[in-house]
Amino acid sequence: KAGVTQTPRYLIKTRGQQVTLSCSPISGHRSVSWYQQTPGQGLQFLFEYFSETQRNKGNFPGRFSGRQFSNSRSEMNVSTLELGDSALYLCASRTTVSLRYEQYFGPGTRLTVT
Amino acid sequence: DQQVKQNSPSLSVQEGRISILNCDYTNSMFDYFLWYKKYPAEGPTFLISISSIKDKNEDGRFTVFLNKSAKHLSLHIVPSQPGDSAVYFCAASDLNTGNQFYFGTGTSLTVIP
Repeated sequence: KAGVTQTPRYLIKTRGQQVTLSCSPISGHRSVSWYQQTPGQGLQFLFEYFSETQRNKGNFPGRFSGRQFSNSRSEMNVSTLELGDSALYLCASRTTVSLRYEQYFGPGTRLTVT
Repeated sequence: DQQVKQNSPSLSVQEGRISILNCDYTNSMFDYFLWYKKYPAEGPTFLISISSIKDKNEDGRFTVFLNKSAKHLSLHIVPSQPGDSAVYFCAASDLNTGNQFYFGTGTSLTVIP
């Protein structure tokens, strides 16, 4: 099976702009989660989508949003970018048909806000 | 509020010896725990998991130990190999309230040949 893919891999934006990141999960995986990784902060949970519905949301401002499409592909959007939004954004998918909870991560999108 | 903590940012071990990576959590409701390994420029990859009904789970060179009373888990790698050099994250979840996983800040392991 192909792994989780994320596009673009690298992105440079300026403050105030908005950005959309894309994630294609492993075929058959219907749960997609997004994380922000910054130095010293580990992986911070943004949100999880399942069957096109947001199922969980982390403690991030409303500038961070996401959606999931019927084919389980997901996008996340960050509006009015701030310098502190510079981070590695990771997408992860997992199966929901068995009692297995491990997530499979994509390589991430490195966002730099200048 | 960091509910999962990895207090050692880095660890160096000689090849062939045991690597022990530690993780502490604060939420007593956490009932599922995982370890991931991350190489630079790649996403984390799943290593091993453990449910709170167990206190040990083994997979090859990797063993995870869970001490619920101490709210502590550890990952043992025996024997350590240079290819194990990576950042290791522990993660925890309360499966009864959803599937949100809380991650630690990671421990960078260096295995010295």
